[in-house]
Amino acid sequence: NAGVTQTPKFRILKIGQSMTLQCTQDMNHNYMYWYRQDPGMGLKLIYYSVGAGITDKGEVPNGYNVSRSTTEDFPLRLELAAPSQTSVYFCASSYSTQQAHGYTFGSGTRLTVV
Amino acid sequence: AQSVTQLDSHVSVSEGTPVLLRCNYSSSYSPSLFWYVQHPNKGLQLLLKYTSAATLVKGINGFEAEFKKSETSFHLTKPSAHMSDAAEYFCVVSDPPGANNLFFGTGTRLTVIP
Repeated sequence: NAGVTQTPKFRILKIGQSMTLQCTQDMNHNYMYWYRQDPGMGLKLIYYSVGAGITDKGEVPNGYNVSRSTTEDFPLRLELAAPSQTSVYFCASSYSTQQAHGYTFGSGTRLTVV
Repeated sequence: AQSVTQLDSHVSVSEGTPVLLRCNYSSSYSPSLFWYVQHPNKGLQLLLKYTSAATLVKGINGFEAEFKKSETSFHLTKPSAHMSDAAEYFCVVSDPPGANNLFFGTGTRLTVIP
């Protein structure tokens, strides 16, 4: 049972480059989320999805895009990387609402933009 | 408005002594509250959750937390620290309960001294 798998684990980007952070879950969870974690801070929600074909903005969506074509996959796209996007990115999933079930987190992608 | 305050950024205890990690929240509703643990270079793992049932919540690895509405607190405790407890701990509020967004505290780093 793999849970939530994120790739890559580490990446260095130059300013203006683009990349996609991959996230896959094998638990048949409807809800998926992307968070970023900056040093000394809690996690901030970037985007989330309540099911295939449905996405919505979180607290800090600027500079990012997402898609949810399948239940399993929820990739995060950075189009024009900026130093402010240097962070650790976590993907998470849940079966339904937070009350009933905790979130399952991936192990993170550490991104540096130089 | 909802917010979470973790009163200590760093707590250091000796192995075998009690652990207390403090968390205060503000919420317009009766919130759902959670503690997550993050070991180095790992994703977040749910320790325990409060969802308006018993105010004393028991979690994994011997941790527990008590919801005190009058004090707006949700402190995390453990009677005896183990070396493997060294990690970052996040207090989290879901507000309103069942919402797909979580509000994270800034974290408390727990160090366990042999």
